[in-house]
Amino acid sequence: RKEVEQDPGPFNVPEGATVAFNCTYSNSASQSFFWYRQDCRKEPKLLMSVYSSGNEDGRFTAQLNRASQYISLLIRDSKLSDSATYLCVVPPSPNTGTASKLTFGTGTRLQVTL
Amino acid sequence: DVKVTQSSRYLVKRTGEKVFLECVQDMDHENMFWYRQDPGLGLRLIYFSYDVKMKEKGDIPEGYSVSREKKERFSLILESASTNQTSMYLCASSPPQGTHSPLHFGNGTRLTVT
Repeated sequence: RKEVEQDPGPFNVPEGATVAFNCTYSNSASQSFFWYRQDCRKEPKLLMSVYSSGNEDGRFTAQLNRASQYISLLIRDSKLSDSATYLCVVPPSPNTGTASKLTFGTGTRLQVTL
Repeated sequence: DVKVTQSSRYLVKRTGEKVFLECVQDMDHENMFWYRQDPGLGLRLIYFSYDVKMKEKGDIPEGYSVSREKKERFSLILESASTNQTSMYLCASSPPQGTHSPLHFGNGTRLTVT
């Protein structure tokens, strides 16, 4: 299994729809995870952190399934402005060094349409 | 708010030139990183640094070197640019590992080597 794996998409959904992406990871010792959002030709920006079972922020919900080693991102009531690439990020195991060497997925592209 | 500034947004260089990419952060972060991002490959770590004058190779260090003379500045050097180094280069910073802190990215340098 790859360290971090995401479906590249694109996911094309109408405005108002609910959409979910999954991200699988191989390191069972990883304890915290991140979702980043990256707009076209821009830098990635932190969307959500996931430290335990899950996290909710408005229309966005991130969940962690340790048994199956995946995290998910759910977006409710999609907006046109949600169109972007969503990157799943997995830190290394705890106490593996002084610097945090994150592993990035290649991203899932979301296109929200009218 | 964390600010990571990359010196150039777009850069065009010739094969064989020595290229310097500069990155400055204003949050007193210990960790700094250089990534490159290519379509279908995602973000790949070139080098990182967890302290002044300290550096460690990432996943793809060949053809690159780095310099960290001051805590706030991390430079990426292409000793002799080649066309396969055409890419988007992203600098990032973070506090020390153990704080579950994500990366804060600069807005990227799109380098074209002709």
